[in-house]
Amino acid sequence: NAGVTQTPKFQVLKTGQSMTLQCAQDMNHNSMYWYRQDPGMGLRLIYYSASEGTTDKGEVPNGYNVSRLNKREFSLRLESAAPSQTSVYFCARCDGGGWGVRLGTQYFGPGTRLLVL
Amino acid sequence: GEDVEQSLFLSVREGDSSVINCTYTDSSSTYLYWYKQEPGAGLQLLTYIFSNMDMKQDQRLTVLLNKKDKHLSLRIADTQTGDSAIYFCAESRRFGAGTRLTVKP
Repeated sequence: NAGVTQTPKFQVLKTGQSMTLQCAQDMNHNSMYWYRQDPGMGLRLIYYSASEGTTDKGEVPNGYNVSRLNKREFSLRLESAAPSQTSVYFCARCDGGGWGVRLGTQYFGPGTRLLVL
Repeated sequence: GEDVEQSLFLSVREGDSSVINCTYTDSSSTYLYWYKQEPGAGLQLLTYIFSNMDMKQDQRLTVLLNKKDKHLSLRIADTQTGDSAIYFCAESRRFGAGTRLTVKP
């Protein structure tokens, strides 16, 4: 799992429910990311965190919030789930600041499959 | 806006070479990447190329970069059934939609 764990692996929600996707890394890296993967659209960046305590919006942040309380963990929260948020969510870590020593070499977790009914 | 594009499907026979193409728009990218995703798994970094290089070879993998045309390709020599996966081209913070490579025996 490239030093990145994600929980849960699979979740079904009803529209309007809330949940938090958990991500943890074991490599003490500064940068962490949340992506969503949808068929035919590749990965789209939701939020990223360049360091502990800082977060920034990515390409598709609407409907999501994130929290980076410590270096190891980066969580993604859906306050009021919508069917459009049905997707596979990937968390990634990056070795180094910003986009990494090798400028963007990311290591991905196994993903969380979310179905919103 | 900035984008990364690649074809969605490629089918080859075992033993043939596979070529996956990608075009990108962000000319400031310092590195360009190829990731591999096997069914049910996350992405794994396959290889990368520095933007001032034209070619990089790594065992069966050859990456070609045409910076003028913003075109990146990944060639897999002697393609095996284990190479069947989705291959993502990436630059900066953007990923292509992925090319699903199917290898037929």
